[in-house]
Amino acid sequence: GAVVSQHPSRVICKSGTSVKIECRSLDFQATTMFWYRQFPKQSLMLMATSNEGSKATYEQGVEKDKFLINHASLTLSTLTVTSAHPEDSSFYICSARDRSRGNTGELFFGEGSRLTVL
Amino acid sequence: TQLLEQSPQFLSIQEGENLTVYCNSSSVFSSLQWYRQEPGEGPVLLVTVVTGGEVKKLKRLTFQFGDARKDSSLHITAAQPGDTGLYLCAGSGAGSYQLTFGKGTKLSVIP
Repeated sequence: GAVVSQHPSRVICKSGTSVKIECRSLDFQATTMFWYRQFPKQSLMLMATSNEGSKATYEQGVEKDKFLINHASLTLSTLTVTSAHPEDSSFYICSARDRSRGNTGELFFGEGSRLTVL
Repeated sequence: TQLLEQSPQFLSIQEGENLTVYCNSSSVFSSLQWYRQEPGEGPVLLVTVVTGGEVKKLKRLTFQFGDARKDSSLHITAAQPGDTGLYLCAGSGAGSYQLTFGKGTKLSVIP
């Protein structure tokens, strides 16, 4: 099956610093990757759609200057949480679509990254 | 905006019991996926259904896609503690790359 790797799995940072999270598709090419945020005991909330070689599309209410997304290659997308604050603490998950499988709707998820801002 | 209503939100049952989780919408989906997520990990794809009326089985799990492709169900037979987790349904519309997620069903199977 398709594998998506996310790094780091856990990160603790001080308020005001920036944190970068990487999402890699290991054995397939992903022209589109998605970034989600998940609060405890809740479902996934889509933050933005990351398109290779172009600007990300952000969902309503998500600050694009706060959550910088870069999709520089067909296998890597990054999410940078800038000037992080305690309210940004959350579980961030990426997913990717294997373009070789056509439009079946299937997404493959990374392991998630737990961000804690002190 | 496509919405998926998932129920129940929480379910706690004894080992060996059967259960059904429902996913309903007023919108038509071109495909629907079921995922299972354990705490601290990303969701793992269980199944994709694309044809109205389709039934797929994965060991003790049976997935069904409604005839009109607006709803789906997940039935677990003889639940085991290892089935504990958050079950998410997600659907995509025709020509769309985005998935709409249900709110999830948190299942606890008590030994």
